[in-house]
Amino acid sequence: EPEVTQTPSHQVTQMGQEVILRCVPISNHLYFYWYRQILGQKVEFLVSFYNNEISEKSEIFDDQFSVERPDGSNFTLKIRSTKLEDSAMYFCASRAGTGSETQYFGPGTRLLVL
Amino acid sequence: AQSVTQPDIHITVSEGASLELRCNYSYGATPYLFWYVQSPGQGLQLLLKYFSGDTLVQGIKGFEAEFKRSQSSFNLRKPSVHWSDAAEYFCAVGGRTGTASKLTFGTGTRLQVTL
Repeated sequence: EPEVTQTPSHQVTQMGQEVILRCVPISNHLYFYWYRQILGQKVEFLVSFYNNEISEKSEIFDDQFSVERPDGSNFTLKIRSTKLEDSAMYFCASRAGTGSETQYFGPGTRLLVL
Repeated sequence: AQSVTQPDIHITVSEGASLELRCNYSYGATPYLFWYVQSPGQGLQLLLKYFSGDTLVQGIKGFEAEFKRSQSSFNLRKPSVHWSDAAEYFCAVGGRTGTASKLTFGTGTRLQVTL
């Protein structure tokens, strides 16, 4: 069964450093998402991406964040200058398209900012 | 704005007992509703979903949920819980407008199963 994959599974970085989280959505899916879950809290929407542009973003997704689909398979989330409060589990999800509303989630990347 | 409330933060049940996890949503029209399960250190696995039609939906691992429009609820049930069901359960609502359909999650219910 096709699945969403994410790399790395864990990343530790110093405050102020740039990080790139990578996701490979399910092949032929058209909609892509990033969510985050701070330890002990609920899963929060960050951004959605369709047709090579951002469809919607939350107030969390400020200028420090960016997303990109650099090729036909990868979907990345970049944090330019990490803060302590960016420490969280980041989930990528993908959805096939209109008429198929189920989002399939990857296993997540746990980011720790020191 | 869409929102989800899961009033029970933590529930403990005995193995073999029945289970009901509550979920109430707020959305301006008929929503898409989901239940996901998260085992410790793992990602989110879809248990079941409601889009339209029959208000009682069946999912994986013997779970079911019932959509009740009048109560804005989508409670998750299982007739007999297994120890492996111990996990965190998230209810989520998705919108029907626009192309993005972001999911809004509840705060989750942590299920503990005693033997």
